[in-house]
Amino acid sequence: DADVTQTPRNRITKTGKRIMLECSQTKGHDRMYWYRQDPGLGLRLIYYSFDVKDINKGEISDGYSVSRQAQAKFSLSLESAIPNQTALYFCATSDLGAGASDTQYFGPGTRLTVL
Amino acid sequence: QQQVKQSPQSLIVQKGGISIINCAYENTAFDYFPWYQQFPGKGPALLIAIRPDVSEKKEGRFTISFNKSAKQFSLHIMDSQPGDSATYFCAASMKTSYDKVIFGPGTSLSVIP
Repeated sequence: DADVTQTPRNRITKTGKRIMLECSQTKGHDRMYWYRQDPGLGLRLIYYSFDVKDINKGEISDGYSVSRQAQAKFSLSLESAIPNQTALYFCATSDLGAGASDTQYFGPGTRLTVL
Repeated sequence: QQQVKQSPQSLIVQKGGISIINCAYENTAFDYFPWYQQFPGKGPALLIAIRPDVSEKKEGRFTISFNKSAKQFSLHIMDSQPGDSATYFCAASMKTSYDKVIFGPGTSLSVIP
């Protein structure tokens, strides 16, 4: 089984709809991240969380919110989706513990289309 | 303003050739420079990384060259294979905030037979 899973993998929605993207991990990592990938722009950080009680805004948090329900679960919400939020969304984890590497482990991504 | 610049945007290389992707950064506080490889339909995965205390790191056919004074680093893929066809992202982060990885815009590499 994959260490970082994302659901759904694909979603088409309409402008103004609320949508939630979910991420689960079995790596036991403390840190979790949400990124957005757009062609020519690379990966941009939306939100990140150091633990269940710690949520931080990233580079492009406007229009998004997150919830860290447990160490293993981190969800991203679009309260009122708009077409320019059409993108590929990735969840990632990294290890905060002693001796941890700086590696981020990515999920398979969710392709979101807002019509 | 892009903190990590990457070129070329796309690259076509013949099998057996050398693929070279270049990156540049501005913030001298960056002290960790990873490269991520992303295959279609998959998330990025760490390929190789370097810290600025060395000028080169090699892992198999993949080599990072680092020029601290020029604030540039590059990925060289020797003996490129069709299986190397992917998008490559250079990235940078700093000791005070390793959680904030700044990614370059990516390079789409196609290795043709």
